[in-house]
Amino acid sequence: GENVEQHPSTLSVQEGDSAVIKCTYSDSASNYFPWYKQELGKGPQLIIDIRSNVGEKKDQRIAVTLNKTAKHFSLHITETQPEDSAVYFCAAKMEYGNKLVFGAGTILRVKS
Amino acid sequence: NAGVMQNPRHLVRRRGQEARLRCSPMKGHSHVYWYRQLPEEGLKFMVYLQKENIIDESGMPKERFSAEFPKEGPSILRIQQVVRGDSAAYFCASSPGGAGELFFGEGSRLTVL
Repeated sequence: GENVEQHPSTLSVQEGDSAVIKCTYSDSASNYFPWYKQELGKGPQLIIDIRSNVGEKKDQRIAVTLNKTAKHFSLHITETQPEDSAVYFCAAKMEYGNKLVFGAGTILRVKS
Repeated sequence: NAGVMQNPRHLVRRRGQEARLRCSPMKGHSHVYWYRQLPEEGLKFMVYLQKENIIDESGMPKERFSAEFPKEGPSILRIQQVVRGDSAAYFCASSPGGAGELFFGEGSRLTVL
């Protein structure tokens, strides 16, 4: 079945440093990989996504890389700011079927 | 353009009562998903619906849980005879189709006393 593993579970960085979160997935047919940010008491918000025909995508301070051969993808946040502190979830979607399978989440703390 | 609307935001029930959670998808979205999030855990898929049809309910417990998305009105997740283990945040998400992007609501937080 589908499985998405995410690590680390917690990550503390100094303001201005970079943060990297990594995920692996089990289903080689997965073709869509979004990242969500969840703040306390709120719903997950999509921050960036990547499809399987692309190796890297960037949006300002956020970038995602995908290695289909190794079945892993990563979120990179540069020049971190205190407002980046939140829980981040990766997810993968099968080619057939429409549900997203989520990783367990990473608590990111940016210390100022 | 309103986002995904969920209500109630908070619901308290005693063991054995029923809980009904409602979700109105974004305008133009006909696909609805329900996820459950236990404290300090990830999001677990429960059910995927399109208008009047359940497409995938592989994540739904076999008993006490049901979901619907009628032709008119919001999607409803119904939990009968709630137990303490049902206490969680229940999130609804919608999408315009099967392309991938899901938009989440703010969640309904169920507490069972």
